[in-house]
Amino acid sequence: DIQMTQSPSSLSASVGDRVTITCQATQDISNYLNWYQQKPGKAPKLLIYHGSNLETGVPSRFSGSGSGTDFTFTIRTLQPEDVATYFCQQYDNFPLTFGPGTKVDIK
Amino acid sequence: QLQLQESGPGLVKPSETLSLTCTVSGGSINSRDSYWGWIRQPPGKGLEWIGNVYYSGSTYNRSLKSRLTMSVDTSKNHFSLNLSSVSAADTGIYYCARWANGIAAPIHNWGQGTLVTVSP
Repeated sequence: DIQMTQSPSSLSASVGDRVTITCQATQDISNYLNWYQQKPGKAPKLLIYHGSNLETGVPSRFSGSGSGTDFTFTIRTLQPEDVATYFCQQYDNFPLTFGPGTKVDIK
Repeated sequence: QLQLQESGPGLVKPSETLSLTCTVSGGSINSRDSYWGWIRQPPGKGLEWIGNVYYSGSTYNRSLKSRLTMSVDTSKNHFSLNLSSVSAADTGIYYCARWANGIAAPIHNWGQGTLVTVSP
């Protein structure tokens, strides 16, 4: 199985800060990677697909990059409504696997 | 607007079968570009893909395959999950979801999730 790791596991930043999360796969997954946002008590929501494509309706302050084994998710200017846990997910190989998540809150 | 809603018992006894249903509204479960599936999240932990069912078959996580059955009921526009011989490790929030145009794809639609607790 492809294992996904994320760092950091949690972070605290100020409104307006740039936030960066990394995701690493244990083998090459090309750009078959998605990023999801999960707010407390809610279902995950797709933000970025195929590594860097912004889902329709998602604010442009969110972005993704990378390919192969190393990926980055960025929130350009952190907003209060971005408090959530962010997960990466690979879909290059079965079983589909998710990263453990990065919890983002406001300092 | 496609919506998915999970339903089923919130409490299941160890060794019994966990059965959940996901009702689809705002779209047809017969759609050939839709792949219906389940993902679960143990308390305070990450997400685990369970499996998918679709018009031409099913694909399961091999870690659960021996205990898992998924099916589609087109007359009721819903799909179901049955997980047998459950233990405390199966406790968690179960989400139903829809993939478009294949399982190797982003997950665009999610249900709100239902908590299932395995306890005597």
